[in-house]
Amino acid sequence: GAVVSQHPSWVICKSGTSVKIECRSLDFQATTMFWYRQFPKQSLMLMATSNEGSKATYEQGVEKDKFLINHASLTLSTLTVTSAHPEDSSFYICSARDEVGNTIYFGEGSWLTVV
Amino acid sequence: KQEVTQIPAALSVPEGENLVLNCSFTDSAIYNLQWFRQDPGKGLTSLLLIQSSQREQTSGRLNASLDKSSGRSTLYIAASQPGDSATYLCAVIRDGNKLVFGAGTILRVKS
Repeated sequence: GAVVSQHPSWVICKSGTSVKIECRSLDFQATTMFWYRQFPKQSLMLMATSNEGSKATYEQGVEKDKFLINHASLTLSTLTVTSAHPEDSSFYICSARDEVGNTIYFGEGSWLTVV
Repeated sequence: KQEVTQIPAALSVPEGENLVLNCSFTDSAIYNLQWFRQDPGKGLTSLLLIQSSQREQTSGRLNASLDKSSGRSTLYIAASQPGDSATYLCAVIRDGNKLVFGAGTILRVKS
């Protein structure tokens, strides 16, 4: 079964609203989680590294104020897309590192459509 | 900046055929290389992880090789089946377990 759960799998929101995506590690604690974005027919691009108890580290070109990341516990990281626009429509996927097993697990991904 | 390229972008083969997917990367200073499978609208499934000190990994009908010096990896799929149809992604792992992905190869195996 899945060891990293993402919710929701699909979400449609109106322009200007905010939407939150959750990433949970189910069987292990993850001090570090990663958020990726994938546009159609393009590669997955790392957006940010989420660190438990501290600020996320964003990749160059990713707006911190638009993509809010919170990693408040060892099993949950959230990505909030604020003031969403149609160009934010994408496939967002998270990964979490099981440090005990030194393995990275990916969530199922979340499809965001902004209308 | 690390760049990962996958060739071909798409591949269509008849069932039973053996095939090779190619991945190249520009910076040989990698920790590991990982091959994933992505089904439409789904997340990623890890297929094979090759440590930087290894040259290949095998799992069932899959075999992945790694040549760091030339910046190349191949994924070999033996006796392909329609269920193998998916997008195959190659990713190199750099510091902190950040992955840099290629754009993928879309594979279709026809029955």
